[in-house]
Amino acid sequence: AQKVTQAQTEISVVEKEDVTLDCVYETRDTTYYLFWYKQPPSGELVFLIRRNSFDEQNEISGRYSWNFQKSTSSFNFTITASQVVDSAVYFCALSEEGPGKLIFGQGTELSVKP
Amino acid sequence: NAGVTQTPKFRILKIGQSMTLQCAQDMNHNYMYWYRQDPGMGLKLIYYSVGAGITDKGEVPNGYNVSRSTTEDFPLRLELAAPSQTSVYFCASSYSRYDEQYFGPGTRLTVT
Repeated sequence: AQKVTQAQTEISVVEKEDVTLDCVYETRDTTYYLFWYKQPPSGELVFLIRRNSFDEQNEISGRYSWNFQKSTSSFNFTITASQVVDSAVYFCALSEEGPGKLIFGQGTELSVKP
Repeated sequence: NAGVTQTPKFRILKIGQSMTLQCAQDMNHNYMYWYRQDPGMGLKLIYYSVGAGITDKGEVPNGYNVSRSTTEDFPLRLELAAPSQTSVYFCASSYSRYDEQYFGPGTRLTVT
């Protein structure tokens, strides 16, 4: 069965610390897509990144970076030098072949304290 | 360009009442989705549509119905509301099945 696991329910860090959010997925498909979304306290869902199963290159965007490893079925997200504005719930999601249905993990609530 | 819009933002229903949650997008996306988010949980797919006139069930469709008569609109109908339908409902759309989904602001529904 397809599944996304975010084992860290809550993480609390102090500003400027680096933090890594873990995501492990299960799928039988060879073609799939992985996503990260951010849900700030205001409640909307903000798209952060999409990665397809054939592209294992790591990605960096400013303070954000993503590490995709097919060998361990993981797609981890690191925030460098965290800021208070990074406080949010972060969701990892999987989309397989088919009509693009997203399977979400349960989310990791990140709290960055000043 | 408004993106994905949802109305209403909040609603309280009594058990057994019915209502329609509205969703519209102005990005000419073919794919549209309805999710629900229960407290402390990720989102679960209720229904989706790959184009006007085509809809299909997701993971948790019971108690809901949808229609897609136009590319822009994808309303979600709740019949005979139950407390278990208390949730935040998100509508989303994407250009293709491979692309990121854009989400509306959500509708917070309470059934008492």
